[in-house]
Amino acid sequence: GQSLEQPSEVTAVEGAIVQINCTYQTSGFYGLSWYQQHDGGAPTFLSYNALDGLEETGRFSSFLSRSDSYGYLLLQELQMKDSASYFCAALTYSTLTFGKGTMLLVSP
Amino acid sequence: GEEVAQTPKHLVRGEGQKAKLYCAPIKGHSYVFWYQQVLKNEFKFLISFQNENVFDETGMPKERFSAKCLPNSPCSLEIQATKLEDSAVYFCASSRGESGTGIFGYTFGSGTRLTVV
Repeated sequence: GQSLEQPSEVTAVEGAIVQINCTYQTSGFYGLSWYQQHDGGAPTFLSYNALDGLEETGRFSSFLSRSDSYGYLLLQELQMKDSASYFCAALTYSTLTFGKGTMLLVSP
Repeated sequence: GEEVAQTPKHLVRGEGQKAKLYCAPIKGHSYVFWYQQVLKNEFKFLISFQNENVFDETGMPKERFSAKCLPNSPCSLEIQATKLEDSAVYFCASSRGESGTGIFGYTFGSGTRLTVV
């Protein structure tokens, strides 16, 4: 089966840097995606890593190590609006399998 | 349009009643996915379509759940004889297709909140 593990909650202050880790056990793995969800609303796509290494998109970066079945999302210069749930998701041939999500709380 | 439209936003059903949810994917997206999210936790995959054909239905509780994507109509997810445990937010998502699914991701609708009482 497919499983992804990520911390349930992370707290940080405005302006700080936070890293959300994700380990996965997935057969037929294509790549790792990250999604943001504010208060139960529509999840929005943040990033996708198919190859090992770091992908940077503005304040957000995502990393993948296929050999370690591990990835992380790095959020820099945290803002209050970054308070949300972040889900890692493994892409296989037919679908995305999601982790249980990490709630990020950003305080002033 | 450039958004996935889900209707209704909220649906309340008594136990044993039928529930039908609708999803209009983004034009030009050939894949549609249905997920169930209970209490803002993980997303449980239900079913996916490639155009009007079922692509993967491994997550569907087949006894009571069914889904369709017919040409020129919104996709639908139907739950016969709802149970209390079906209370959840049901999200629909669409994507461009196999080659674009990773890079561009899935575009999700805002969900339908189903409450079974």
